[in-house]
Amino acid sequence: DQQVKQNSPSLSVQEGRISILNCDYTNSMFDYFLWYKKYPAEGPTFLISISSIKDKNEDGRFTVFLNKSAKHLSLHIVPSQPGDSAVYFCAASAGTGKLIFGQGTTLQVKP
Amino acid sequence: SAVISQKPSRDICQRGTSLTIQCQVDSQVTMMFWYRQQPGQSLTLIATANQGSEATYESGFVIDKFPISRPNLTFSTLTVSNMSPEDSSIYLCSVLQGGQETQYFGPGTRLLVL
Repeated sequence: DQQVKQNSPSLSVQEGRISILNCDYTNSMFDYFLWYKKYPAEGPTFLISISSIKDKNEDGRFTVFLNKSAKHLSLHIVPSQPGDSAVYFCAASAGTGKLIFGQGTTLQVKP
Repeated sequence: SAVISQKPSRDICQRGTSLTIQCQVDSQVTMMFWYRQQPGQSLTLIATANQGSEATYESGFVIDKFPISRPNLTFSTLTVSNMSPEDSSIYLCSVLQGGQETQYFGPGTRLLVL
């Protein structure tokens, strides 16, 4: 039973364009959502998060949108840069500190 | 955010042996966690390392296989016991500081079991 799903294993985007990474969840008890970026041979790096009481959070080039009724969140990166090429994980928490991760989406930004 | 280090960064081990991974944080943290990322897979929580008491394990993980210690608020160890090739993974510790909801991860330990 996968509670957090990232249905797109990979995404390729041209430099300067928008990257949109999607994530769906099934557990309505989740109240905090996070996006992490991971390079090979490194630990995940925190990017941005959103509480369930909000529907949008923005930090520089990164914006996360939350649609609670659809149990869906998305990460927008604008403009995309080649250095953004990495694996992106969404994660969800139900207030216990325990994170449930999606499978990850590999983003490739082409120059 | 806290600075987290792990030792070793990588190791190659023979089946049947055990490896202890250390996680050190530069400040006191409320909670520490251990995750595993198997090849091509997502991150899975192994256990929550509780300071001064036994760790809390997730379904599918047991103390005999993954004993954990947390002697203070800045340090924890995870031991992978009686290793088999299926234990080849990246092992990651993460921390949660008081009053926050964002977990920060260490650099990981790459383990290959032959």
